[in-house]
Amino acid sequence: DGGITQSPKYLFRKEGQNVTLSCEQNLNHDAMYWYRQDPGQGLRLIYYSQIVNDFQKGDIAEGYSVSREKKESFPLTVTSAQKNPTAFYLCASQLKQGRSNQPQHFGDGTRLSIL
Amino acid sequence: EDQVTQSPEALRLQEGESSSLNCSYTVSGLRGLFWYRQDPGKGPEFLFTLYSAGEEKEKERLKATLTKKESFLHITAPKPEDSATYLCAVRSSGSSNTGKLIFGQGTTLQVKP
Repeated sequence: DGGITQSPKYLFRKEGQNVTLSCEQNLNHDAMYWYRQDPGQGLRLIYYSQIVNDFQKGDIAEGYSVSREKKESFPLTVTSAQKNPTAFYLCASQLKQGRSNQPQHFGDGTRLSIL
Repeated sequence: EDQVTQSPEALRLQEGESSSLNCSYTVSGLRGLFWYRQDPGKGPEFLFTLYSAGEEKEKERLKATLTKKESFLHITAPKPEDSATYLCAVRSSGSSNTGKLIFGQGTTLQVKP
């Protein structure tokens, strides 16, 4: 079945530690996105990528980094510079970024907590 | 600034009691309005896309409508399995190249048997 796989489902971060969240898609979608979801708030865009080896900052990129070495993969690293990392992280993909009529499709998220 | 506001924040219904969820938006040129359903601990599941005022889409007990300022998600004779958080998102002309979506905070629906 085609879809977006995020792992792990739960992740715990120690003080000063960088952690990486995995996102893999087999939908052959060009564009991929990372969102952060906090209780009572809408999803907020962290980073997005239109094509391999290219990515752009979203609205809340500080303390995060990404890479896009393969079309299928868009990992997110939460660095120690992110002082409030506790949240639900969602990865999404879209067939073609420039097509405004296309929805984004989401994985089932990674819940990150601080130890 | 593009903005999306959903109301109410939470809604409790009895099974079979129809109601509507509201999504109000202000954007610089609407390029699409999207409805998603999100179950606890899961990612959002795509439901509908609406593009122009007057447009309607239906799926089972759900019907989405669009005006120039807001969208409604009508739920007819809901069942307990319709319990979820419903998210509304918009794409504006300013973000059509990036694909960026602006999300509302969501409405959490609980349907009691």
